[in-house]
Amino acid sequence: AQSVTQLDSQVPVFEEAPVELRCNYSSSVSVYLFWYVQYPNQGLQLLLKYLSGSTLVESINGFEAEFNKSQTSFHLRKPSVHISDTAEYFCAVSDLNSGYALNFGKGTSLLVTP
Amino acid sequence: SQTIHQWPATLVQPVGSPLSLECTVEGTSNPNLYWYRQAAGRGLQLLFYSVGIGQISSEVPQNLSASRPQDRQFILSSKKLLLSDSGFYLCACHRAGSAMTEAFFGQGTRLTVV
Repeated sequence: AQSVTQLDSQVPVFEEAPVELRCNYSSSVSVYLFWYVQYPNQGLQLLLKYLSGSTLVESINGFEAEFNKSQTSFHLRKPSVHISDTAEYFCAVSDLNSGYALNFGKGTSLLVTP
Repeated sequence: SQTIHQWPATLVQPVGSPLSLECTVEGTSNPNLYWYRQAAGRGLQLLFYSVGIGQISSEVPQNLSASRPQDRQFILSSKKLLLSDSGFYLCACHRAGSAMTEAFFGQGTRLTVV
């Protein structure tokens, strides 16, 4: 089954600083990748997705991720974070063998402090 | 877009008691449906998925079962809860037959087995 690995369990960062959350996926011919965000005691919300085409994908709140086939990575970046970005971030890959269920990484907790 | 209703939001149950969590979907027909569990400090684990009425696939052996009595209804059950069943349960749906769309999540149920 296709899988993803999130290399950092926690990332502390100061407000207005840049941040990168790392995600690597298992190599496959076709891969569909997603980043989700989870605020405390809530469900998951889609942040952005890579399906095909442009390797750089952007979200409406300033996050972006770049699909890098040679490095099998899909890292999430933001040039300047806000306190409100504090949340759990999950990288996921669509598993074609499980009804297109998403296989998630273990998550990265982003903590933004003043 | 799809909307997922999941209830209850919070549940405290004694060990050995039964469980029934319900999830209903609006805004799509014949979706793929999923139950995930998120244990403290861990990522999301796929428990069950369903590609149609009465069709249930289990990803891991466990004390839980799932049923899909109607196209847009997905139920997670247990006859006797264990302490290890505590966690955050998320229902999700996905447009059937396509990996090129994101999954939508409910708000989750926080289950504490005491």
